[in-house]
Amino acid sequence: EDKVVQSPLSLVVHEGDTVTLNCSYEVTNFRSLLWYKQEKKAPTFLFMLTSSGIEKKSGRLSSILDKKEPFSILNITATQTGDSAVYLCASTNFGNEKLTFGTGTRLTIIP
Amino acid sequence: GEEVAQTPKHLVRGEGQKAKLYCAPIKGHSYVFWYQQVLKNEFKFLISFQNENVFDETGMPKERFSAKCLPNSPCSLEIQATKLEDSAVYFCASSQFPSGSFTDTQYFGPGTRLTVL
Repeated sequence: EDKVVQSPLSLVVHEGDTVTLNCSYEVTNFRSLLWYKQEKKAPTFLFMLTSSGIEKKSGRLSSILDKKEPFSILNITATQTGDSAVYLCASTNFGNEKLTFGTGTRLTIIP
Repeated sequence: GEEVAQTPKHLVRGEGQKAKLYCAPIKGHSYVFWYQQVLKNEFKFLISFQNENVFDETGMPKERFSAKCLPNSPCSLEIQATKLEDSAVYFCASSQFPSGSFTDTQYFGPGTRLTVL
């Protein structure tokens, strides 16, 4: 069975700090890894990664995939209180379309 | 529309009652997915559709859960004879392209919170 594991489960940092969230996976016929941010309701899409070593960047957020290990990290620099959320990592594989989610990392930014 | 729409936002049912949830995918998206999130824990995949056809139903509890996506109608997820453990947020997501195209990002609706008393 496909498995996605995130660490840490929760993280509390001060505004302005840089954080790194981790995601490892065991997926048959791996296709892609996705990061989502969940605040109160719907997860909102952040990144989709399919190739090793290519960093994706959006403002203060960036993410990279290592298919050899395999794992992915999500970095957030100069954190702000609006970054407080649960960050979800999910995988897809060839053959079915469903997302397999990790349990998420709850990030709290203290002003 | 440009967003996945789900109704109702909240649904309260007594144990044993029926619950029906609705989802309108983003216009032009061929795939619809249902996920269950219990107590802010991880998402459990239930079922997916490619247009009106069931694509993968491996996550569906066989006995009480059913789902449909009919042409020109919102998709629906129905739970017959709800149980306390069905209390969860049910998310619908849609995506545009099938496997292998690398544009398979799923976009989520706001969810329906089902409370079974």
